[in-house]
Amino acid sequence: QVQLVQSGAEVKKPGASVKVSCEASGYTFTGYYLHWVRQAPGQGLEWMGRIDPNSGGTIYAQNFRDRLTVTRDTSITTAYMELSDLRSDDTAIYYCVRDKSVAGDYWGQGTLVTVSS
Amino acid sequence: QSALTQPASVSGSPGQSITISCTGTSSDVGGYNYVSWYQQHPGKVPKLMIYGVSNRPSGVSNRFSGSKSGNTASLTISGLQAEDDADYYCNSYTTRYTWVFGGGTQLTVL
Repeated sequence: QVQLVQSGAEVKKPGASVKVSCEASGYTFTGYYLHWVRQAPGQGLEWMGRIDPNSGGTIYAQNFRDRLTVTRDTSITTAYMELSDLRSDDTAIYYCVRDKSVAGDYWGQGTLVTVSS
Repeated sequence: QSALTQPASVSGSPGQSITISCTGTSSDVGGYNYVSWYQQHPGKVPKLMIYGVSNRPSGVSNRFSGSKSGNTASLTISGLQAEDDADYYCNSYTTRYTWVFGGGTQLTVL
């Protein structure tokens, strides 16, 4: 069965960076784009960017273009989301999402990133 | 990229039907048949309910249906049940090869 398993919760100070992993299993890793979506406490969903695990090609939302890096390691079927220069309003749950037919059919369990001094 | 526009809240009684709208532009909703809808219960991971404007994934009740007209997509839930009480988000592909979500709609089943 398809599974996306994310790394655990993180607490970071303002200005630091965070790197969240997303290990995929149960399907051909290189066959589907992976997206990153975040949700601040009590707020809606916000699309951040996506990677083509086959080529490594990425597309980022304008809001994150200067601070976001999405990578992958096909040998361990894992994607990574790194967000730099963290601010308090980056406190959110971060999800990795598999793209099938331009929709998110499988979601990771989410990783809470807390930014606090 | 601005978020798609959804009503903040809708409500309905059990057995009734409700419709949630999702308005974008010709650069997203109106330009592609790639609108999807997600249901999210409190503290839970979002669940895909509709993809490609009107397609239901396996296992999703046929009480859920989607449509689109121009720059506005809609999710209709018929025969409302208590378990439908949740937040709903629309999503669209855009001309910039990106995704954009709506602000979300809180559905209350009275």
